[in-house]
Amino acid sequence: KAGVTQTPRYLIKTRGQQVTLSCSPISGHRSVSWYQQTPGQGLQFLFEYFSETQRNKGNFPGRFSGRQFSNSRSEMNVSTLELGDSALYLCASSVQTLGYGYTFGSGTRLTVV
Amino acid sequence: TQLLEQSPQFLSIQEGENLTVYCNSSSVFSSLQWYRQEPGEGPVLLVTVVTGGEVKKLKRLTFQFGDARKDSSLHITAAQTGDTGLYLCAGALEGGTSYGKLTFGQGTILTVHP
Repeated sequence: KAGVTQTPRYLIKTRGQQVTLSCSPISGHRSVSWYQQTPGQGLQFLFEYFSETQRNKGNFPGRFSGRQFSNSRSEMNVSTLELGDSALYLCASSVQTLGYGYTFGSGTRLTVV
Repeated sequence: TQLLEQSPQFLSIQEGENLTVYCNSSSVFSSLQWYRQEPGEGPVLLVTVVTGGEVKKLKRLTFQFGDARKDSSLHITAAQTGDTGLYLCAGALEGGTSYGKLTFGQGTILTVHP
């Protein structure tokens, strides 16, 4: 059974650019959540999608957005990148929706220079 | 203020020693999970506890969920060098809209020396 796949694994972008990260959940998982992990703040929740609908959003500026497709694959986009956006971006998928059975991908390491 | 306070932040011990990591909150969680994360990788789920007072064992690891579902602990018996890593507790808050949202502790970096 394939795990959660995130692409790309590493990314270097310049301040002001935008970036799109991709997440393919485990087959059959309809819930996809995104997290940002930094040394200072730890793991922080960005948003969650279920059946193409955003059902929950964390406290991040509007530059952070996402979407989910009909096959449950999800993308997140960060526009007008800032140095502080450098982080490991993780997605997690689940069959259920409230606190159970999350499987994380290996993440995308984004470096903004 | 961190919603889930995890302690200690760092733990350096010798192989064979026992250790306990704590996760505390003033909020009630419908479930609490423990993860282990290796550098450059995503967290890997170790266990989920959902019932107050629940105790789960995974080989040398023992997990406990507090009676009031506000706290949890992870106890490792006879630590091995392979236990080295970042341990994270994460909970789904009870009530409200918690779809897909886990609240994470700051993590405990465990180093087990041979």
